[in-house]
Amino acid sequence: DQQVKQNSPSLSVQEGRISILNCDYTNSMFDYFLWYKKYPAEGPTFLISISSIKDKNEDGRFTVFLNKSAKHLSLHIVPSQPGDSAVYFCAASGGAQKLVFGQGTRLTINP
Amino acid sequence: NAGVMQNPRHLVRRRGQEARLRCSPMKGHSHVYWYRQLPEEGLKFMVYLQKENIIDESGMPKERFSAEFPKEGPSILRIQQVVRGDSAAYFCASSPNWLAGTDTQYFGPGTRLTVL
Repeated sequence: DQQVKQNSPSLSVQEGRISILNCDYTNSMFDYFLWYKKYPAEGPTFLISISSIKDKNEDGRFTVFLNKSAKHLSLHIVPSQPGDSAVYFCAASGGAQKLVFGQGTRLTINP
Repeated sequence: NAGVMQNPRHLVRRRGQEARLRCSPMKGHSHVYWYRQLPEEGLKFMVYLQKENIIDESGMPKERFSAEFPKEGPSILRIQQVVRGDSAAYFCASSPNWLAGTDTQYFGPGTRLTVL
């Protein structure tokens, strides 16, 4: 029962362009959503989050959009930089504290 | 401003041995979480603890796995009689006092357990 899904295992984007990572969820009780970035052999690093009372949150080059009716969120990175190459996980929680993670999307930024 | 600390970073055990994984939360954080990541998969929740209390262990296997967060010292994830299927990366996260659904968890570097 995969409650959080990232349907694209990988994404390749040219440096300087926009990267868009997508995430879908099925549990309507989720009310807090996060994006993490992970390099090999390291722990996930928190990037940005959004509460269900908002539909957009922005922090520098990172913007997260939430569409509650579609149960969909996306992370936009603009402009994309080589250091952004990593695996990106979306995660959700519904007041129970535990995070439910997607399977991850491997982002590669090409020069 | 030290982050979440985990040790050891790598642990090798033979089948049937015990594995002990340690986690020290960020300063000022009183909530600890353990997650497991199998190869090519996302992280899966195992257990959520506060000092001296297990709050949610719904993700813990029923046998061989236990966790604690004592009043003093790090949180410990203990796996008894390890099997090859326990080989994974185990991540600890911590968060400050919970504020109704807006709490962010910060992760440690993980312990990579290999069972021979």
